[in-house]
Amino acid sequence: DAGVTQSPTHLIKTRGQHVTLRCSPISGHKSVSWYQQVLGQGPQFIFQYYEKEERGRGNFPDRFSARQFPNYSSELNVNALLLGDSALYLCASRRSYGRTNTEAFFGQGTRLTVV
Amino acid sequence: ILNVEQSPQSLHVQEGDSTNFTCSFPSSNFYALHWYRWETAKSPEALFVMTLNGDEKKKGRISATLNTKEGYSYLYIKGSQPEDSATYLCAFPYSGAGSYQLTFGKGTKLSVIP
Repeated sequence: DAGVTQSPTHLIKTRGQHVTLRCSPISGHKSVSWYQQVLGQGPQFIFQYYEKEERGRGNFPDRFSARQFPNYSSELNVNALLLGDSALYLCASRRSYGRTNTEAFFGQGTRLTVV
Repeated sequence: ILNVEQSPQSLHVQEGDSTNFTCSFPSSNFYALHWYRWETAKSPEALFVMTLNGDEKKKGRISATLNTKEGYSYLYIKGSQPEDSATYLCAFPYSGAGSYQLTFGKGTKLSVIP
């Protein structure tokens, strides 16, 4: 079975531009979450989607948005990019959304560099 | 805001040495504690999901213990090998109002010297 796949793997954007990151969860997984990891920090929660609805949002500005499609894949969009948005963006999928005793499965991430 | 702390931040050990590191988390409203191993250029991979006070889990040379009353978990690696070099993350899941999110520590970066 394919794991969580993310595209692109690397991306360079200019300040003020917009970016779209994509994630395909493991087959059968309906919950997708997005995390941002900056150097020296642990991953920080951005969004969770389940059955195409936003179920949770972390402490990120409105420039960050996401959506989930009928096939459970997801996009993370960031508008008006800032230098501080440079980070590794991780996508994680789970079969359910609420139970805490099951692990999340992560993709390899998209490395975004804003110049 | 949940506070999950890991120590040490980094660790260098010789091949064959045993080592351990710590994750501390809020002891109130405990649901579970996750450990992940994250090798460079790969995806974070779940090692353990621990739910019960006193739990001890083992996978090969790696084991973990859990103390929910005092809010800490230890990860042990016996006889470290170069392939154990990775960042080890612990995460405290929160589930409420239909949401599920992980709060991660900053990780412990382990380097095993051949």
